[in-house]
Amino acid sequence: NAGVTQTPKFQVLKTGQSMTLQCAQDMNHEYMSWYRQDPGMGLRLIHYSVGAGITDQGEVPNGYNVSRSTTEDFPLRLLSAAPSQTSVYFCASRLLRTGNEQFFGPGTRLTVL
Amino acid sequence: QQPVQSPQAVILREGEDAVINCSSSKALYSVHWYRQKHGEAPVFLMILLKGGEQKGHEKISASFNEKKQQSSLYLTASQLSYSGTYFCGTEIEAGSARQLTFGSGTQLTVLP
Repeated sequence: NAGVTQTPKFQVLKTGQSMTLQCAQDMNHEYMSWYRQDPGMGLRLIHYSVGAGITDQGEVPNGYNVSRSTTEDFPLRLLSAAPSQTSVYFCASRLLRTGNEQFFGPGTRLTVL
Repeated sequence: QQPVQSPQAVILREGEDAVINCSSSKALYSVHWYRQKHGEAPVFLMILLKGGEQKGHEKISASFNEKKQQSSLYLTASQLSYSGTYFCGTEIEAGSARQLTFGSGTQLTVLP
């Protein structure tokens, strides 16, 4: 099993550009989510999904879109990048039923100039 | 809705003990604990479900007080490898989906 994979590992954007962060998992997990991590702020939930075709907003959804067309993939789209979106982004997945650990991907470090 | 962690930072000598606390203003379904090394992804330590269960993993254990909506992580006889940032994540019941939200972390440094 590859677990949770994310691409790219690093990305530099200019303000106003758009891009998609890719996330995939091969563990047949129903639940997938995106977090951003800023210094001193911990992990903040952006969007999450409990299955294909179902997504919902987390704590900080503004400026981000998601879709879940398959169980395996959960891409995160930045429509018009802003410097405030400079952060490290983690994708995570887990089984939805009770008591299961969450697995994190290796992260994408994004810088918006 | 983020849980509150304390302390923000701890510095220990190898072999000393530490306690990290996590509290929430919401009724909790479960508490997760993770450790993150610098530049790496968070790694799962343990999960506690409502019911006041205490769990252990070698010299790291945790408790969950359901009435107070508080959890504590206990690190006994700390080792150099315990250094990192510890996060608690909490789940509240939100319909059929359970959001896992994290505290701001506790930075633990173990010195030789």
